[in-house]
Amino acid sequence: GENVGLHLPTLSVQEGDNSIINCAYSNSASDYFIWYKQESGKGPQFIIDIRSNMDKRQGQRVTVLLNKTVKHLSLQIAATQPGDSAVYFCAENMAGNFNKFYFGSGTKLNVKP
Amino acid sequence: NAGVTQTPKFQVLKTGQSMTLQCAQDMNHNSMYWYRQDPGMGLRLIYYSASEGTTDKGEVPNGYNVSRLNKREFSLRLESAAPSQTSVYFCASSPGRLGLQEVFFGSGTQLSVL
Repeated sequence: GENVGLHLPTLSVQEGDNSIINCAYSNSASDYFIWYKQESGKGPQFIIDIRSNMDKRQGQRVTVLLNKTVKHLSLQIAATQPGDSAVYFCAENMAGNFNKFYFGSGTKLNVKP
Repeated sequence: NAGVTQTPKFQVLKTGQSMTLQCAQDMNHNSMYWYRQDPGMGLRLIYYSASEGTTDKGEVPNGYNVSRLNKREFSLRLESAAPSQTSVYFCASSPGRLGLQEVFFGSGTQLSVL
């Protein structure tokens, strides 16, 4: 599959701090990206998405940044809460085949109270 | 509105046994998918179905077959299970149209092959 990988496999943050989870992708033809959250024993849940014609998108407490020059994606979580503890995946989708997503290996976020 | 429902939640097989994982979605989505997730790894696409009546191989199709029974249902079959197929399997669906690409996942099937 495509090389969608994460820099940090495990991230520990203090409750209330901001978290930044990174993702690198290798295919410059990818034009759509999603961040997923996966809690233990559950399926991945959609958090936020971004298209390649944007470099930033904000949701509730989350922001996704896309740097197409270096093929890098990041997820920022503001005021991290214990409920944010989970594994986070980025997924990329290439233009012309919107049915196929490639997932990174995931980053585990531990939020310390 | 249950979303994506897959059964069973847990299954133990002996090497060489066969089984079918069932999946249904009630969101009227065109596209459906089967992924596997191994410990410490991301999801890898086994097969997908872009629309009713079509199926295509993903990254890791060997050892699996699929059937898109109708728009709602997409099953995954292991004809002769192998220990390498021990994994968590996720079914997913999406509208399957440009601009509506969010993928919704089921809760997973934990499969162990002894």
